[in-house]
Amino acid sequence: KQEVTQIPAALSVPEGENLVLNCSFTDSAIYNLQWFRQDPGKGLTSLLLIQSSQREQTSGRLNASLDKSSGRSTLYIAASQPGDSATYLCAVFTGTASKLTFGTGTRLQVTL
Amino acid sequence: EAEVAQSPRYKITEKSQAVAFWCDPISGHATLYWYRQILGQGPELLVQFQDESVVDDSQLPKDRFSAERLKGVDSTLKIQPAELGDSAMYLCASSLTYADNEQFFGPGTRLTVL
Repeated sequence: KQEVTQIPAALSVPEGENLVLNCSFTDSAIYNLQWFRQDPGKGLTSLLLIQSSQREQTSGRLNASLDKSSGRSTLYIAASQPGDSATYLCAVFTGTASKLTFGTGTRLQVTL
Repeated sequence: EAEVAQSPRYKITEKSQAVAFWCDPISGHATLYWYRQILGQGPELLVQFQDESVVDDSQLPKDRFSAERLKGVDSTLKIQPAELGDSAMYLCASSLTYADNEQFFGPGTRLTVL
């Protein structure tokens, strides 16, 4: 059974800092990995999708990497802003189960 | 920009009552998913449709939950009777095809059972 872990569970940083969020998964036989953002009480917004054959994806100040063999992904946020405050979830799509398995998220707060 | 629509956004009900949630996926998306997210946890898949057919409902509590997608477009998730433990966010997502597995999520329905 696929299990996804995100560390840390919560993080508070001052505005302008670069930061890294971590995601690990137990079954490396994945099709892709997706990073989402969730604001309090809201739905999920897709940030980046990395296919299993890719090593990284970039969108603006966000960069996500994938090391499938070690079961790890990182989300790098450059020059953080208060508007980045949210919960960040990673999810892996495992072909055998044909579904997304989510981590419990990292709650990020960027302070002024 | 195309979005997944859900209604209602919020629902408060008493235990033993029936509730229903509606989802309209992005136009042209064949695959539709219902997830349940308990506060502080990641979403968990309840049911997955490919067009009008159920692909996976292994985690759906079938004694009280039902889901349908009769015409292969919009979908309804029903709970009858609701229990206190059903309080959660119910999220709908869609993807273009079964193999195209980037999923797009709606705003969710927050259910509170009293």
